[in-house]
Amino acid sequence: DTGVSQDPRHKITKRGQNVTFRCDPISEHNRLYWYRQTLGQGPEFLTYFQNEAQLEKSRLLSDRFSAERPKGSFSTLEIQRTEQGDSAMYLCASSLDPRETQYFGPGTRLLVL
Amino acid sequence: KNEVEQSPQNLTAQEGEFITINCSYSVGISALHWLQQHPGGGIVSLFMLSSGKKKHGRLIATINIQEKHSSLHITASHPRDSAVYICAVSLQGAQKLVFGQGTRLTINP
Repeated sequence: DTGVSQDPRHKITKRGQNVTFRCDPISEHNRLYWYRQTLGQGPEFLTYFQNEAQLEKSRLLSDRFSAERPKGSFSTLEIQRTEQGDSAMYLCASSLDPRETQYFGPGTRLLVL
Repeated sequence: KNEVEQSPQNLTAQEGEFITINCSYSVGISALHWLQQHPGGGIVSLFMLSSGKKKHGRLIATINIQEKHSSLHITASHPRDSAVYICAVSLQGAQKLVFGQGTRLTINP
């Protein structure tokens, strides 16, 4: 197993377009987390899944954001009608147990023009 | 006021110096994490601790639960230690991590 992977690594889009990011967690991990990090700041929690169930969503996750984990394996994060303020690094992490270390993917850097 | 505060925000030192980065938090936690982030974004977990002290190579992490404070120490610092170091806490009864704003460390040769 090569760890948590994310695709794409970079995305440039025009304001108003929709974008979708994918995260593949470590295979036996049932918990999957999405975070957002803007330049010079620490990451902020967006949402998390236990298996296929989305158990918590941050108030940062507006109606334009949706996340899924349909089979309890990979997850997608979609942003509709992107805005310049959505420009950030989107990080995915997974863990086997909430008391265990979270393993982070390399992130997807989004730039909205 | 942020729930997790780190100091300093930026730290520049010479190779070989002893480095200390501090983290204070204001909420009940089940664990505290120290993370390392290199340019390009990848985050690596260094330590997860809920009490006492942990050591890995030249890195030492301590936590004082009563004072709600943790420190990350680097002995014999090296230019390859240059990175952003992030403190994060697992809130009691919650799954998510809450992060500090990070400390940018630069070690000059």
